[in-house]
Amino acid sequence: QQQVKQSPQSLIVQKGGISIINCAYENTAFDYFPWYQQFPGKGPALLIAIRPDVSEKKEGRFTISFNKSAKQFSLHIMDSQPGDSATYFCAANWGGANNLFFGTGTRLTVIP
Amino acid sequence: ETGVTQSPTHLIKTRGQQVTLRCSSQSGHNTVSWYQQALGQGPQFIFQYYREEENGRGNFPPRFSGLQFPNYSSELNVNALELDDSALYLCASSFLQGNTEAFFGQGTRLTVV
Repeated sequence: QQQVKQSPQSLIVQKGGISIINCAYENTAFDYFPWYQQFPGKGPALLIAIRPDVSEKKEGRFTISFNKSAKQFSLHIMDSQPGDSATYFCAANWGGANNLFFGTGTRLTVIP
Repeated sequence: ETGVTQSPTHLIKTRGQQVTLRCSSQSGHNTVSWYQQALGQGPQFIFQYYREEENGRGNFPPRFSGLQFPNYSSELNVNALELDDSALYLCASSFLQGNTEAFFGQGTRLTVV
């Protein structure tokens, strides 16, 4: 059973465009929602995270939007750059930074 | 780069063999979690160690076992290797208490032939 569902599986965006990746969850106990960026041959790197007491969090070109009632959250990458080409994973957990439940990943390609 | 280091980087083993993977946690972190990432998939939680004891386990058989040492470094042991064990094994360190960030190492790529 997939605790966190992620879409799309792959995404191609022109340089300068906006990349949007969506995730949905069922477990209302989740209270921590990080996004990870992974380059080939590397481990996931924490990009940005949000807790359910806020609806949006922005760090540079990266923004998380969170909809608690819909149990959905999304990552927006503004002004996408070729260097952003990577696989992005959403995740969720509760009660501490253990037992992260990951989505299936989105492979983002930014075309110059 | 995180302060989490894993060794070895790559490993090839034969079916039925045993393997030990190692992880050094980030300075100040007392919790280590292990994940298995199959090709094209998200990481799957194997187990977590806190204060040298297993503190939570995912849906993995007992032939996956681990250790945590007093300096918070950790080992993942897999016995009776199967072809499906081929994956990237990731170690993440964090503080157990509170929702703090989990920092991942670069992983160990295990290939079982």
